Amino acid sequence: GQNIDQPTEMTATEGAIVQINCTYQTSGFNGLFWYQQHAGEAPTFLSYNVLDGLEEKGRFSSFLSRSKGYSYLLLKELQMKDSASYLCAGKDSNYQLIWGAGTKLIIKP
Amino acid sequence: GAVVSQHPSWVICKSGTSVKIECRSLDFQATTMFWYRQFPKQSLMLMATSNEGSKATYEQGVEKDKFLINHASLTLSTLTVTSAHPEDSSFYICSARDLGSAGFGEQFFGPGTRLTVL
Repeated sequence: GQNIDQPTEMTATEGAIVQINCTYQTSGFNGLFWYQQHAGEAPTFLSYNVLDGLEEKGRFSSFLSRSKGYSYLLLKELQMKDSASYLCAGKDSNYQLIWGAGTKLIIKP
Repeated sequence: GAVVSQHPSWVICKSGTSVKIECRSLDFQATTMFWYRQFPKQSLMLMATSNEGSKATYEQGVEKDKFLINHASLTLSTLTVTSAHPEDSSFYICSARDLGSAGFGEQFFGPGTRLTVL
């Protein structure tokens, strides 16, 4: 079956760094997405990885290892506004997105 | 970036009535749109995939006669919740995939519609 696993909740301190892990099992693989979702709002696109390695975009970076079925989202210099849920989604062979349950990130001052 | 609008943003209706939600891609053409439902503190649940000019593909467990989807043009898809009941109260979110851009087919989400059925 297809499955995306990520931690349910994480807590970090303002100004610090946090890494949110995601493991995936999909029928075929055509890339992995990270989305941010604030409470009561729709998800917004953060990053996309299809090749192994690290993609850096400002304070956010995303890493992919296809051989391990593993990805992480790295958030640096955390700000209070980064408090949100972070959704990991894998694209399968039919180009459908398989969604994780999301990781709720709580930032403390 | 690509913009997707959704209307209405919230709606309250009586049990037994029908509610229509519109999803529009404003600055790109979307051959495929997706409808999701999200209950509080839960992840997105894909309800159906809507393709322009053809019937929608529904996920297992989603009643196609209850959740009517129409994708009449490349920029508009509608979801009608027929004979709504309190258990249909949820956050409904649409997304559209822009295959015409240089991107990688990421989905752009509308702002969502919060439906409350009394």
